[in-house]
Amino acid sequence: AQTVTQSQPEMSVQEAETVTLSCTYDTSESDYYLFWYKQPPSRQMILVIRQEAYKQQNATENRFSVNFQKAAKSFSLKISDSQLGDAAMYFCAYRTTSGNTPLVFGKGTRLSVIA
Amino acid sequence: KAGVTQTPRYLIKTRGQQVTLSCSPISGHRSVSWYQQTPGQGLQFLFEYFSETQRNKGNFPGRFSGRQFSNSRSEMNVSTLELGDSALYLCASSGGWTSGTGDTQYFGPGTRLTVL
Repeated sequence: AQTVTQSQPEMSVQEAETVTLSCTYDTSESDYYLFWYKQPPSRQMILVIRQEAYKQQNATENRFSVNFQKAAKSFSLKISDSQLGDAAMYFCAYRTTSGNTPLVFGKGTRLSVIA
Repeated sequence: KAGVTQTPRYLIKTRGQQVTLSCSPISGHRSVSWYQQTPGQGLQFLFEYFSETQRNKGNFPGRFSGRQFSNSRSEMNVSTLELGDSALYLCASSGGWTSGTGDTQYFGPGTRLTVL
């Protein structure tokens, strides 16, 4: 079974600084998608960024970028120029393209942003 | 497009009662998934519906059930509520693998269920 591991339960970053959240996953599949979701204290889960495994280029969305290392099964999220609004739980998730399997989530990393 | 909506947002029930939660997906999305989120267990997959058919089910007891209607709206039902069912229940919709977004799931705000 596929698993997703986020080894940092909590992290903090100073406003305007850069922070990297780690995620590793275990799979025997070759074609899959990886996601980072953000869940602010208001509880609405928001998609931050999506990476297709067959694409070598790392995805970016404004201040958010990923470092996708397929061989190492690593998918870290970098947040640049951190803002107070970035404070949230961040979940890494995986979904294979083969078969109808559900999205698999990590346990999450709680990010605090210090003014 | 309007996002995923869930009703009600908050619910308080007592043990033994049953509850029905509703989810309306993003217009055009035919897949709806349900998750239970608790501080201890994190996000756990309940089930997924696509075109009124359940195509995946998580490891939950039979007290948890769901269905999807022809307009893609979905409901989940929990019967004989237990204290441990207190959780945030999240619904997510997706446009399918042919949508060009990798069947990305978009979440609703959730229903906070408290069982007393």
